[in-house]
Amino acid sequence: KAGVTQTPRYLIKTRGQQVTLSCSPISGHRSVSWYQQTPGQGLQFLFEYFSETQRNKGNFPGRFSGRQFSNSRSEMNVSTLELGDSALYLCASSFGRIGGNTIYFGEGSWLTVV
Amino acid sequence: TQLLEQSPQFLSIQEGENLTVYCNSSSVFSSLQWYRQEPGEGPVLLVTVVTGGEVKKLKRLTFQFGDARKDSSLHITAAQPGDTGLYLCAGATGANNLFFGTGTRLTVIP
Repeated sequence: KAGVTQTPRYLIKTRGQQVTLSCSPISGHRSVSWYQQTPGQGLQFLFEYFSETQRNKGNFPGRFSGRQFSNSRSEMNVSTLELGDSALYLCASSFGRIGGNTIYFGEGSWLTVV
Repeated sequence: TQLLEQSPQFLSIQEGENLTVYCNSSSVFSSLQWYRQEPGEGPVLLVTVVTGGEVKKLKRLTFQFGDARKDSSLHITAAQPGDTGLYLCAGATGANNLFFGTGTRLTVIP
């Protein structure tokens, strides 16, 4: 079956702009979680959506937001971009909640803020 | 927050050598997972350990969950260049939370 698909794979934005990243989970999976990965901070949890509701949120400012649609597809948005937002953004999907189920990652979206 | 410290942070070894990566925390986890991430890709699950003291083997990889379910180790025997990558541990606290470790970047030199 098709894996987790993230779009776009690469993008460059300017400070102050906003960005929207998309994630299509594996068919049948209802949980989508988002992570930020940087060389200095490692893999950090952003939030998890399950059945269109945000269930968990990591320690990130309110500029980071997300949503999940009825077909389980998810988007995350970062407003007022800062240089420090440059990172690999990973999405993962699982059938149930992230702690109790195997999660499958997409290949990620590389965001560069200049 | 549950902090999972991995050591070493970086490891560079020759092909054929053995190595061990450690994942330590002061928190108790209901399960612990190990992932490997290769450049340009997302992490891929290698194994999940659930029971304290549990040992799982996956070919040349041996995973152990500590008796108190606070720590884990990954041992690789006769490392190969294909083992190169970022190894991540992740601890679950019940069904609703998953915390990732700081990562170990392994390079196996042919």
